[in-house]
Amino acid sequence: ELKVEQNPLFLSMQEGKNYTIYCNYSTTSDRLYWYRQDPGKSLESLFVLLSNGAVKQEGRLMASLDTKARLSTLHITAAVHDLSATYFCAVVKAAGNKLTFGGGTRVLVKP
Amino acid sequence: GAVVSQHPSRVICKSGTSVKIECRSLDFQATTMFWYRQFPKQSLMLMATSNEGSKATYEQGVEKDKFLINHASLTLSTLTVTSAHPEDSSFYICSARTGTAFTDTQYFGPGTRLTVL
Repeated sequence: ELKVEQNPLFLSMQEGKNYTIYCNYSTTSDRLYWYRQDPGKSLESLFVLLSNGAVKQEGRLMASLDTKARLSTLHITAAVHDLSATYFCAVVKAAGNKLTFGGGTRVLVKP
Repeated sequence: GAVVSQHPSRVICKSGTSVKIECRSLDFQATTMFWYRQFPKQSLMLMATSNEGSKATYEQGVEKDKFLINHASLTLSTLTVTSAHPEDSSFYICSARTGTAFTDTQYFGPGTRLTVL
């Protein structure tokens, strides 16, 4: 059974500082996704990572994937208030089509 | 980009009644649709996988007689919560999948908030 763990579960950030969210998964995966969810809303797709060493960046967010370590990171550079949200990673098991979600990381950026 | 709609966005019902939620892919044909539920401050849990014209595949612990899924076409799937109880109150999110086996993408609907009184 595929298990996906995120940490930390909650992250209080100061504006302007850098932070990292970690996503570990337990079995071989075809691809890994990062999503953002604002309160009361559905998911917004941020990144999809397909191969070992993949790195994607959009604005202040950068995601990377290490398939050997079964680890993905979401790095936030110079946090701003607008980044306050819950971030989820989700993994598709090799040869599968179902997403298994991590527990989510609630991010609160304070001035 | 691909758009998935859900209707209704919010529904309040009395205990014992049934509620139907629709999920539509608006500008693409979805090979597969998925239904998730999310309790407050928790993650998304997959309930079932739905393919057009065939029976849905339910995840362990999900009652198929309580959560009826119909996938009538490549653009429409419905989830009916039968004999709803307060513990069924949740945020229900559908997604629609398109693309090839390796490049497929799931597009998420905006969610339906169900409150059972």
